[in-house]
Amino acid sequence: KAGVTQTPRYLIKTRGQQVTLSCSPISGHRSVSWYQQTPGQGLQFLFEYFSETQRNKGNFPGRFSGRQFSNSRSEMNVSTLELGDSALYLCASSFGQGVNEQFFGPGTRLTVL
Amino acid sequence: AQSVTQLGSHVSVSEGALVLLRCNYSSSVPPYLFWYVQYPNQGLQLLLKYTTGATLVKGINGFEAEFKKSETSFHLTKPSAHMSDAAEYFCAVSDSTSGGSNYKLTFGKGTLLTVNP
Repeated sequence: KAGVTQTPRYLIKTRGQQVTLSCSPISGHRSVSWYQQTPGQGLQFLFEYFSETQRNKGNFPGRFSGRQFSNSRSEMNVSTLELGDSALYLCASSFGQGVNEQFFGPGTRLTVL
Repeated sequence: AQSVTQLGSHVSVSEGALVLLRCNYSSSVPPYLFWYVQYPNQGLQLLLKYTTGATLVKGINGFEAEFKKSETSFHLTKPSAHMSDAAEYFCAVSDSTSGGSNYKLTFGKGTLLTVNP
């Protein structure tokens, strides 16, 4: 069974640009969560989607947005990039109901110059 | 609001020695608790989880953790460290009242484990 895949693995952008990251969950998983990981703030929850609906959102500005498609694949978008957005963005998938394991992808390393 | 505190951002042990990584949590409702491991340039892998029932939880790679409600702790242990255990370890808590779904994890800052030969 294929794991969670994230594309691209590495990105370099400049301030003010926007970026879109993609996540393909494990087959059969309907929930996709996004996390930002930085050395200073650690792992922080961005948002979670289940069946194309955002179920929960973390404390991030509106520049961070996401969506989920009918095949459960998810994208997150960051507009007007700032230097502080440089981070590892992790996607995790799960069945989405009941207590079940979140399976993490390898992440997308975003560098903002 | 939930929070997780991991005591010690860096723990160093000798190969074969006991590994003890500390985690304390704060939650207003019965928590679900998790330990994840992250190797360099990789995502997170679940080591073990506590939901309900037995408070001593066994995970992969010989790790285990004990849920102690009175101490609000969920410390991770392994009797004998191996070189391959060197990684960063994260404790996480989830709200058990959220429809039973652990879709939102609150993580600790992580503990980097170094294993010396």
